[in-house]
Amino acid sequence: GAVVSQHPSWVICKSGTSVKIECRSLDFQATTMFWYRQFPKQSLMLMATSNEGSKATYEQGVEKDKFLINHASLTLSTLTVTSAHPEDSSFYICSAGTFSYEQYFGPGTRLTVT
Amino acid sequence: AQKVTQAQTEISVVEKEDVTLDCVYETRDTTYYLFWYKQPPSGELVFLIRRNSFDEQNEISGRYSWNFQKSTSSFNFTITASQVVDSAVYFCALRSNDYKLSFGAGTTVTVRA
Repeated sequence: GAVVSQHPSWVICKSGTSVKIECRSLDFQATTMFWYRQFPKQSLMLMATSNEGSKATYEQGVEKDKFLINHASLTLSTLTVTSAHPEDSSFYICSAGTFSYEQYFGPGTRLTVT
Repeated sequence: AQKVTQAQTEISVVEKEDVTLDCVYETRDTTYYLFWYKQPPSGELVFLIRRNSFDEQNEISGRYSWNFQKSTSSFNFTITASQVVDSAVYFCALRSNDYKLSFGAGTTVTVRA
């Protein structure tokens, strides 16, 4: 149980285009979803927290207009990187939180912007 | 403010050696949870253990063991008789009342055959 999927697992896009990453909780309902970014050889940095049906809460320094988060249902959250640039290339990981405050992590999405 | 410090950036051992990963944390909350995760080269985080602040019992799971010492705000992790498959980045993390996880910088463990 407690499986979280992410799609796509990797994506290459051209500079200036937008990319959408999906995060799904497959066998449970997620009250809260979290999005992290991880640069090579660095730790995970929380980008934003989203609750179903509410606007996401972004961490300091994260541009909300660039990283659009939609949490449309208790099993799906999406992160859209708008007008991507090479510096947005990173490993993006989502986690889904349950009513008992456990977080389950997705396998991550590797984004490369050329 | 919460903070997790993993002072060891990289550790390299020969197979069958024991390796201990240090984790020191800071929090003002009285109730909190500590975690260890493993991140192999594939990138997917693997949950290893969760410990709440009221449970200071040490835990052993196979070749893994954890030493939680509230007095020194430490939650160290030992791999006994390391194997090549243990090569990965290991993260210590802290979660307090705001539900967010704060990760340490990670320790890269390389086990050589």
